[in-house]
Amino acid sequence: GAGVSQTPSNKVTEKGKYVELRCDPISGHTALYWYRQSLGQGPEFLIYFQGTGAADDSGLPNDRFFAVRPEGSVSTLKIQRTERGDSAVYLCASSSQPASGPTDTQYFGPGTRLTVL
Amino acid sequence: AQSVTQLDSQVPVFEEAPVELRCNYSSSVSVYLFWYVQYPNQGLQLLLKYLSGSTLVESINGFEAEFNKSQTSFHLRKPSVHISDTAEYFCAVRAGRDTGRRALTFGSGTRLQVQP
Repeated sequence: GAGVSQTPSNKVTEKGKYVELRCDPISGHTALYWYRQSLGQGPEFLIYFQGTGAADDSGLPNDRFFAVRPEGSVSTLKIQRTERGDSAVYLCASSSQPASGPTDTQYFGPGTRLTVL
Repeated sequence: AQSVTQLDSQVPVFEEAPVELRCNYSSSVSVYLFWYVQYPNQGLQLLLKYLSGSTLVESINGFEAEFNKSQTSFHLRKPSVHISDTAEYFCAVRAGRDTGRRALTFGSGTRLQVQP
């Protein structure tokens, strides 16, 4: 079946603007993750959803970053008042495991490259 | 909290030669360990993982990794590489099941460059 999809693939914005990044997980996957990958670095965790609720948002860098998953499927990462330091590739991953089960595999999307000018 | 160190940012190697990509981790709790691969212009793909049991795990394309608890390492090896193995390889850890934490912590990556 289809993998994790993310839109847009590229986003260029100006400093101070608001952006939304969308993630469509694999159908039926209950868990969804957002990561951020800066140039030359590995991905860094931002937030994890189990169903509709944010189970762990400890990786969000500040209150300019917010994410939602209102129906337990598609998720949107929202960044307010963007800064040049927000430029990175934003990765989404999903997995099928319910919260109480054994570990699962996170399947990653291709990412959204955000450039803040 | 967990951390991952990949000591080599780039590893050049000739085709059909053996390779080892090093990964060390730090954690105050039990962990699960993963290697992900990112081919040029593609997303991250899981290569192999250690959850429990045998400390030696293998992938379908000839890579293997061994969990060494005393050395806190999870090095990735392949006895004979191909041009098609050229990619960025990321080691990652996740806190063990009892902690409830699901986030992966990644290393900074090792670029494997296989030369003819």
